[in-house]
Amino acid sequence: NAGVTQTPKFRILKIGQSMTLQCTQDMNHNYMYWYRQDPGMGLKLIYYSVGAGITDKGEVPNGYNVSRSTTEDFPLRLELAAPSQTSVYFCASSYSLRDEKLFFGSGTQLSVL
Amino acid sequence: AQSVTQLDSHVSVSEGTPVLLRCNYSSSYSPSLFWYVQHPNKGLQLLLKYTSAATLVKGINGFEAEFKKSETSFHLTKPSAHMSDAAEYFCVVSEATGGSYIPTFGRGTSLIVHP
Repeated sequence: NAGVTQTPKFRILKIGQSMTLQCTQDMNHNYMYWYRQDPGMGLKLIYYSVGAGITDKGEVPNGYNVSRSTTEDFPLRLELAAPSQTSVYFCASSYSLRDEKLFFGSGTQLSVL
Repeated sequence: AQSVTQLDSHVSVSEGTPVLLRCNYSSSYSPSLFWYVQHPNKGLQLLLKYTSAATLVKGINGFEAEFKKSETSFHLTKPSAHMSDAAEYFCVVSEATGGSYIPTFGRGTSLIVHP
């Protein structure tokens, strides 16, 4: 099993550009999450999804959009990138309501200059 | 509403000495609690979890944590630190929110291990 796969690993954007961070999992997990990690701040939840076609905002959703058309994929879209979106982004998934262990991707390091 | 506070941003120990990483939580109901570890430039890996069974939870690599409801704490310990334990550690609380379990992360504790 590949687990949770994120692409790209690194990206540099100019202010105002847009991009999509890809996330796919092959474990048939219902729950998927996007977090951003900033130094000394832990992980902040951006968006999450409890199944295909269902998404909801987390703690820091502004400037981001998501979609969940399939169980496997959960892309994160950045529109009009800003320097405040410079961060490391992690996608995660989990199986069910009770078994909440998170499986993480390896992360995407994004710089907006 | 749930929240988690990691009381130390950095903990420094010598190799072979005990490790204590402190975590306090706030939760309206009976929470699930987790510790994750992140080695440099890596993703996060589950160390251990508490889900209302035994209050003393054993995890991987010799780590364990004790759930103390009266103190709302879930401190992580290890009897003897190893150089490979140097990493960032995150305490996580998860409780039901509108039918879903949403994990909330602490800010992290950086464990430094000296030879």
